[in-house]
Order: sequence, then structure tokens, then C-alpha cells
Amino acid sequence: DIVMTQTPLSLSVTLGQPASISCRSSRSLVHDDGHTYLSWLHQRPGQPPRLLIYKISDRFSGVPDRFSGGGSGRDFTLKISRVEADDVGLYFCMQATHFPISFGQGTRLEIK
Amino acid sequence: EVRLVESGGGLFKPGGSLRLSCAASGFIFNTYSMHWVRQTPGKRLTWISRITGDGTTKKYADFVQGRFTISRDNARNTLYLQLTDLRGDDSAVYYCTRGYYGTGAFADWGPGTLVTVSS
Repeated sequence: DIVMTQTPLSLSVTLGQPASISCRSSRSLVHDDGHTYLSWLHQRPGQPPRLLIYKISDRFSGVPDRFSGGGSGRDFTLKISRVEADDVGLYFCMQATHFPISFGQGTRLEIK
Repeated sequence: EVRLVESGGGLFKPGGSLRLSCAASGFIFNTYSMHWVRQTPGKRLTWISRITGDGTTKKYADFVQGRFTISRDNARNTLYLQLTDLRGDDSAVYYCTRGYYGTGAFADWGPGTLVTVSS
């Protein structure tokens, strides 16, 4: 099974400052079809997760361009260019290249 | 608007069984694969199972070990998860999710239903 490892596990950021979360997989996430099925989700307290980024760097509908994803192979990054108050909560990476689908352990973002 | 609403959670005893339901609306249900994901009290997300739109192909996480069964009723636009031989570590919020076609991502999530397994 693919293990997804996120760093850091918690992040304290000043409003307006950037933030970055890393995600490393135990195997390459490049699918036989050439695509890499790595996505990022955000979960606010008391809510279900919501999709931010899919296929490494494509922003989902309605996601502000402050959020960007990058990386390749086994190493991926989610960046927030300017953190806002609404960005608090948990961030998860997820891979769907290989079954079983797996998630990172989550990174908690708080405002400093 | 896509809407997914889970139900069937509650307090259950170890060794017991239950069936979770997910009522779907706002999209053509039988054209989408659907998944179940759970989140433990420690907030860890774990994928459980997937079923294709026509219900013919199912995949499960290894930990399921034959205890859970995913199914769907396309006439009722409803997804199910049957859980048997419940254990304490099955306590979690259970979410149904809709696959985002061609992306491997989960675009839509229900609010979840809480299952607590305790004697």
C-alpha cells in the first residue's frame, strides 16, 4: 500500500504570509496512463473535507488562486501565497493512482 | 447542485452490524463511481471502498477483510455500506464521496454520519 507522509504536521502562520505543505509518497504516483492522481483537500472544523487541487496542480472550481500545487513522482507541495483566516483547519494530500487509495496524516494550519 | 447525505450512524455494540445509506441528488447517479471514506476521532482519513456506476465492480481496503459490503440502488439514487462484526476501531465519521471523473479526486462529500462502537 502507498504511504503518504505530510510535513509539517502543524503550521502556525501570520495572516497574509505564505504557507507550504509537503507530501511524499512511498512509491511514484505516475499512473500507467501518464497522469499523476495526487489531490489536496481542506477540512474546516466541523465540516467534511473539500477538494482544492487535483492531478497535482489543477485547482478545483471556486478555489482561489492563492492555492497552488506542484511536484512530481513522489514529492508534492501545496502552497498558499497569502494565508487568510478562512484557511485554518486540516490539509490532506490523497493519492488515487494505486489502490487502495490513501491519504496523508493531515497538516493542521492555525493563525499565529 | 450535488447533494450527498449519509444516514444510519449511531451507537452500536462490538460484534454488531449496521447499514449506512447515502442519498444522492443533483447528478446522474448511475454514471459515477462512489466511495466510502471514514475519519477517526484523531482525524485520520481512510478510504474504505469504491463501487462503479453500474454496481458491477467493487474494491475494498485491505482492513475491511470481508466485514464491509458496498452496494448501490441506482433506481433510488442511494449508496450503501453494510458493516458487520463491528470493532471499537470502526468508530469514526463515515463519508460518502463522489469521484470527479478522470481526476482521481473526490469532488463532493456528504456531511458524514457518526458510528460509535462501544459496549
